[in-house]
Amino acid sequence: NAGVTQTPKFQVLKTGQSMTLQCAQDMNHNSMYWYRQDPGMGLRLIYYSASEGTTDKGEVPNGYNVSRLNKREFSLRLESAAPSQTSVYFCASRPTSSYNEQFFGPGTRLTVL
Amino acid sequence: KNQVEQSPQSLIILEGKNCTLQCNYTVSPFSNLRWYKQDTGRGPVSLTIMTFSENTKSNGRYTATLDADTKQSSLHITASQLSDSASYICVVSATRNNDMRFGAGTRLTVKP
Repeated sequence: NAGVTQTPKFQVLKTGQSMTLQCAQDMNHNSMYWYRQDPGMGLRLIYYSASEGTTDKGEVPNGYNVSRLNKREFSLRLESAAPSQTSVYFCASRPTSSYNEQFFGPGTRLTVL
Repeated sequence: KNQVEQSPQSLIILEGKNCTLQCNYTVSPFSNLRWYKQDTGRGPVSLTIMTFSENTKSNGRYTATLDADTKQSSLHITASQLSDSASYICVVSATRNNDMRFGAGTRLTVKP
């Protein structure tokens, strides 16, 4: 099993450009998440999907949109990138069980100039 | 103010030495606390989970403790190895909506 995969690994954008970060998991997990990680701060939840067909806002959703394409895939879109969105983005999935262990992807390092 | 505070922010120790990382939280109502290890350039990986009724749990050279009364947890690393160099993240979950709160992490460097 590949676990949680993310593409691309690195990306540089200019202000105003758009892009989609891809995430897929092969563990048959119901829940999927997008986080951003900035220096000196904890991981912050952008959006999550508790199950196929549902999405909900997290702590920092402004400037982002998501799509739960199917049970495996959960994408994050930046419609008009801003320098404040320079960050490392992590996708995670979680099985439907108690105690909330999440399985994380390797991350996408995004720089917005 | 973050509901999960970790200390120290960074730590440098020599190979073979022990160390203890701290996590204080205000998340309520408490469900569980999990410690993750994050290697540079990788996603976090779970080390151990503590529930309300557990005081101590070990995973090899890693031992986590939980004091639910004072809302504190610690992660003790014994006989450190170079491969222990990583960030250690404390994550506290609330029973309400399974809300998870992440600490900023402690960056541990083990030197030979």
